[in-house]
Amino acid sequence: GNSVTQMEGPVTLSEEAFLTINCTYTATGYPSLFWYVQYPGEGLQLLLKATKADDKGSNKGFEATYRKETTSFHLEKGSVQVSDSAVYFCALSGAGGGYQKVTFGTGTKLQVIP
Amino acid sequence: EADIYQTPRYLVIGTGKKITLECSQTMGHDKMYWYQQDPGMELHLIHYSYGVNSTEKGDLSSESTVSRIRTEHFPLTLESARPSHTSQYLCASSDDTKAGTQYFGPGTRLLVL
Repeated sequence: GNSVTQMEGPVTLSEEAFLTINCTYTATGYPSLFWYVQYPGEGLQLLLKATKADDKGSNKGFEATYRKETTSFHLEKGSVQVSDSAVYFCALSGAGGGYQKVTFGTGTKLQVIP
Repeated sequence: EADIYQTPRYLVIGTGKKITLECSQTMGHDKMYWYQQDPGMELHLIHYSYGVNSTEKGDLSSESTVSRIRTEHFPLTLESARPSHTSQYLCASSDDTKAGTQYFGPGTRLLVL
């Protein structure tokens, strides 16, 4: 079955530091890949996505590239801010029509300190 | 902007009470989901629905039940709440045009005493 493995947290960074959160996946076919973010006291919201190999998703300064050869979708940001403190979830959605079950990673908590 | 709503946001209730967590979306999505999120943050799918009159159990066994009588409404019911049901419950919806993108409500944080 499908699975997503992401680096364990918490990750603590100083403001303006470079961020990488690793995510690798196991899936059949060509899944879509996502990063969701959950701010304190809220539900998850889509941060970025990529639907095919070599696609780069980007939003709010965050980027991730769909690497089929390494089955990875690592999240990066060049300069984090305190407001980026949140929990980040890597996820995949199976290829094909019908019900597209989403498989989530376990989440990585990021804390950015001033 | 996603339009998916959950009420109540917080609920403290005694053991044995019946509760219903409400979830509504205004996007016309056919697919809806309920997740249970434990304190360690991991999400567990407990119910999903393809559309009206369709409900399925998810990956994590749950004593809750759901119904889908209208497209926009997907309530979750616990007939007899227990302390082990204490958790955060997240509702989500999706359509087929966004490659599986799910839109989440703000969640209901349930505490059973």
